[in-house]
Amino acid sequence: DTAVSQTPKYLVTQMGNDKSIKCEQNLGHDTMYWYKQDSKKFLKIMFSYNNKELIINETVPNRFSPKSPDKAHLNLHINSLELGDSAVYFCASSGGRSGEQYFGPGTRLTVT
Amino acid sequence: KNQVEQSPQSLIILEGKNCTLQCNYTVSPFSNLRWYKQDTGRGPVSLTIMTFSENTKSNGRYTATLDADTKQSSLHITASQLSDSASYICVVSAGYQKVTFGTGTKLQVIP
Repeated sequence: DTAVSQTPKYLVTQMGNDKSIKCEQNLGHDTMYWYKQDSKKFLKIMFSYNNKELIINETVPNRFSPKSPDKAHLNLHINSLELGDSAVYFCASSGGRSGEQYFGPGTRLTVT
Repeated sequence: KNQVEQSPQSLIILEGKNCTLQCNYTVSPFSNLRWYKQDTGRGPVSLTIMTFSENTKSNGRYTATLDADTKQSSLHITASQLSDSASYICVVSAGYQKVTFGTGTKLQVIP
């Protein structure tokens, strides 16, 4: 069973387009996250949701909009894609006392 | 400013050898420290987690140490295998939801 899944795994699109990445977790966790990993492999948090409520919103362009229809899902919608948005986007979830985060496989976004 | 610095940036070792990765942090207040392993093309996977009161934690051939006084942690890998080739990321939490990621050490194990 896949704990945290993301779709699609690869996404190639042109500048100016709008795209969405979906994330689902079946761990029963209350908290979900979106991270961006750039070419230097540095992971940077973008958003965090707890029980469908936004609790962390780092300095991210408002072209990025997360949506959490329920506790198990956190989708990321990106408007007017730019070249600099090319990166690997990871979804993660956490729960329990330790707060350990479980990561999805990542979505490699390439903007041309 | 909360920071997590890792060294070395990259490391190449021969299969069967041991190695130690370093993590220095300035995160405050300290909650816990985790080491993650990230294989190429995959998401990070947790190896160990340590709280303030723990100074060593093992997971198979991986042993993490923590010195909360000097704010340093190390990850020791014993008898390395080719499958250990990956990036290792140190992550420090300063309380609920306040997580700082290190830039990682890329390890390559060669036959």
